[in-house]
Amino acid sequence: DTGVSQNPRHKITKRGQNVTFRCDPISEHNRLYWYRQTLGQGPEFLTYFQNEAQLEKSRLLSDRFSAERPKGSFSTLEIQRTEQGDSAMYLCASSFSSRGGETQYFGPGTRLLVL
Amino acid sequence: AQKVTQAQTEISVVEKEDVTLDCVYETRDTTYYLFWYKQPPSGELVFLIRRNSFDEQNEISGRYSWNFQKSTSSFNFTITASQVVDSAVYFCALSEPYGGSQGNLIFGKGTKLSVKP
Repeated sequence: DTGVSQNPRHKITKRGQNVTFRCDPISEHNRLYWYRQTLGQGPEFLTYFQNEAQLEKSRLLSDRFSAERPKGSFSTLEIQRTEQGDSAMYLCASSFSSRGGETQYFGPGTRLLVL
Repeated sequence: AQKVTQAQTEISVVEKEDVTLDCVYETRDTTYYLFWYKQPPSGELVFLIRRNSFDEQNEISGRYSWNFQKSTSSFNFTITASQVVDSAVYFCALSEPYGGSQGNLIFGKGTKLSVKP
């Protein structure tokens, strides 16, 4: 049983460049979440998908950020014109949402450093 | 508004000591879920437990136990006979599936536990 996977694991980029991260959820899961975690803080919610529909976006998600989940499988998170403040760990989680509640399982994260 | 507070930033214990990590939450919803996750140095968040707001029974899993008290809005986590492998950052989180957060997790700032041999 494979868990949530994320690629790349590490990314170093220069300010102003665009970056894209990929998340592959657990196969039978219908929900996929993106979070951002900075040093010494807990993860903060960015956005989530139920199947292919993006249902909620946090105010943290500026217009430089865009996420997709085509066909309700893997998801991508793109950051355009990166800024140094975007340096963080980007975490993806997936879950199966039902009336009985849901448990989110996290991937290993993508650590982004913007120089 | 929803909030999770983990007042202990760092705790250091010697192996075999018992340790309790505190978690206090705020919510206006009557239906909610509470979670604990472990984040070892590798960075991946590992799910430990989920509790719903209607189930106040304490839970024990091996050396881990959880105490949920709605009266004090607390969901504390105890590790008995701690081991070096327990060293990690532990996060408490809240989910309100029918509330404003629609199921996304609201995390505390975490407690860093160091277990020394």
